[in-house]
Amino acid sequence: RKEVEQDPGPFNVPEGATVAFNCTYSNSASQSFFWYRQDCRKEPKLLMSVYSSGNEDGRFTAQLNRASQYISLLIRDSKLSDSATYLCVVTSNTGNQFYFGTGTSLTVIP
Amino acid sequence: EADIYQTPRYLVIGTGKKITLECSQTMGHDKMYWYQQDPGMELHLIHYSYGVNSTEKGDLSSESTVSRIRTEHFPLTLESARPSHTSQYLCASSSHLAAANYGYTFGSGTRLTVV
Repeated sequence: RKEVEQDPGPFNVPEGATVAFNCTYSNSASQSFFWYRQDCRKEPKLLMSVYSSGNEDGRFTAQLNRASQYISLLIRDSKLSDSATYLCVVTSNTGNQFYFGTGTSLTVIP
Repeated sequence: EADIYQTPRYLVIGTGKKITLECSQTMGHDKMYWYQQDPGMELHLIHYSYGVNSTEKGDLSSESTVSRIRTEHFPLTLESARPSHTSQYLCASSSHLAAANYGYTFGSGTRLTVV
């Protein structure tokens, strides 16, 4: 079983739409959680950490549900520049190993 | 401004050649990693290091080797390049103390083509 599972999409949404991605993880003792963004042929870049209380950064909201072992990312008022692949990342219980999901592809359409 | 540097950015090389991909970081991070990623595909961990003189193989079987003689430097070597090694190679680093909040920092990658 994979450490992290993501719906690969693709998600094609119009500008201004709200879109949500979910990700499940297998290790209940995982320590830390992140969402990364990766543009085509570029390196992944940290979008935001995910905390148990949930956290928001502008149009982006991340949630963690430890009981159900999933994390989510909500993007409100989608912009063309949000088009990218979004990677869910979960660490091991020690925090030493990072496990990447396969990524969810988002295209925002004018 | 990048604090983790990979060279070369692009490399085209013939089959059988020995190559070394360079990765250096200026953040004093103790942990460093090498990932392989084909276009549109997921990341695969090939090597990692938790500090000087510490190296481990990752999940993906690889014919490459790494060394960690200095904290800031983590080169990846392919003794004999093959067309199946054609891929993007991404180096990353993290701090043991800060990883929980700040995750990894990735380099810009080396795009390798073996002909």
